[in-house]
Amino acid sequence: NAGVTQTPKFQVLKTGQSMTLQCAQDMNHEYMSWYRQDPGMGLRLIHYSVGAGITDQGEVPNGYNVSRSTTEDFPLRLLSAAPSQTSVYFCASSTQGLSKNEQFFGPGTRLTVL
Amino acid sequence: DAKTTQPTSMDCAEGRAANLPCNHSTISGNEYVYWYRQIHSQGPQYIIHGLKNNETNEMASLIITEDRKSSTLILPHATLRDTAVYYCIVKPGAGSYQLTFGKGTKLSVIP
Repeated sequence: NAGVTQTPKFQVLKTGQSMTLQCAQDMNHEYMSWYRQDPGMGLRLIHYSVGAGITDQGEVPNGYNVSRSTTEDFPLRLLSAAPSQTSVYFCASSTQGLSKNEQFFGPGTRLTVL
Repeated sequence: DAKTTQPTSMDCAEGRAANLPCNHSTISGNEYVYWYRQIHSQGPQYIIHGLKNNETNEMASLIITEDRKSSTLILPHATLRDTAVYYCIVKPGAGSYQLTFGKGTKLSVIP
């Protein structure tokens, strides 16, 4: 299993540009989520999904859109990038069972908005 | 979710046990204690979780006080690769998936 994969690893955008951060998992996990991590801070939840076709907002959703058309993929879209969105973005997935709810995180995408 | 308090940083000698404390005095009856760690620039990694009993796995042990208001993560023989930020997270168990990360404890393992 590749686990959780994220592309790209690094990205530089200009203010106002749009882009999509890709996240995929091959563990057949129902739950997927996006976090952002600013320097010296913990992770903050942006959006999450409990299954295909179902998404919801987290703590800091403004400026980001998500969709979940398949179990495997959960892309994060920045419609009009702003310098405040400079951050490291992590995708995570988890099974919905009655188990330990261990979340598996991807390696991150480092985004700089100029 | 209940709030957690952790020391900002700790040092541990290589080969010794690392004991990382966490206070969660407002924890409610259905909330679990989870520990994750984040090695420099990588995605967080699950370590262990528990409700009220002490737990042990191949990575660590988790000791939860009887009143559940605090807990300690124990790495029995710390290595340099254990240098990381450790996050203590309290959240409901099955059916709840959102993790609320604080700033965690930066553990430095010293040779």
